[in-house]
Amino acid sequence: EPEVTQTPSHQVTQMGQEVILRCVPISNHLYFYWYRQILGQKVEFLVSFYNNEISEKSEIFDDQFSVERPDGSNFTLKIRSTKLEDSAMYFCASRRLEGGDTQYFGPGTRLTVL
Amino acid sequence: AQSVTQPDIHITVSEGASLELRCNYSYGATPYLFWYVQSPGQGLQLLLKYFSGDTLVQGIKGFEAEFKRSQSSFNLRKPSVHWSDAAEYFCAVGAVGGATNKLIFGTGTLLAVQP
Repeated sequence: EPEVTQTPSHQVTQMGQEVILRCVPISNHLYFYWYRQILGQKVEFLVSFYNNEISEKSEIFDDQFSVERPDGSNFTLKIRSTKLEDSAMYFCASRRLEGGDTQYFGPGTRLTVL
Repeated sequence: AQSVTQPDIHITVSEGASLELRCNYSYGATPYLFWYVQSPGQGLQLLLKYFSGDTLVQGIKGFEAEFKRSQSSFNLRKPSVHWSDAAEYFCAVGAVGGATNKLIFGTGTLLAVQP
């Protein structure tokens, strides 16, 4: 069964450093998402991406964040200058169709900013 | 604004006992509703979903949920819990008609299963 994959599983970085989190969505999916979960808090929507552009972003997704689909398979989230409060689990998700089709989530990348 | 409330942060049940996890949502129209489960160190796995039609939906691992519009609820149930069901459970609502269909999650309910 196809699944969403994410690398790395755990990333440790120093404050102010750039990080890139990688995701490989399910191959025939068209909509891509990033969510994050700060420890002990709820899963929060960051951004959605369709047709090579951002379709919606949350207030969390400021200028320090960017997303890219550099090729036909990868979907990346870049944080330009990490802050302590960026420490969280980051989930990638993908969806096949418009409407209420199900989002399938990857296993997550735990980002720790020191 | 859309929101999801899971009033129970932590629930402990005995193996073999029945389970009900509560979820209430706030949304202006009929939403799409989901239950996801997260085992330690794992991602979010879809248990079941409601889009329309029959208000009682069946999911994987013997779970079911019932959509009650009058109560704005989508409670998750299982008649007999197994030790492997110990995990965190998230209820989520998805926007209907929007292109992005972002999910709004509740805070989760952590389920512990006693032998």
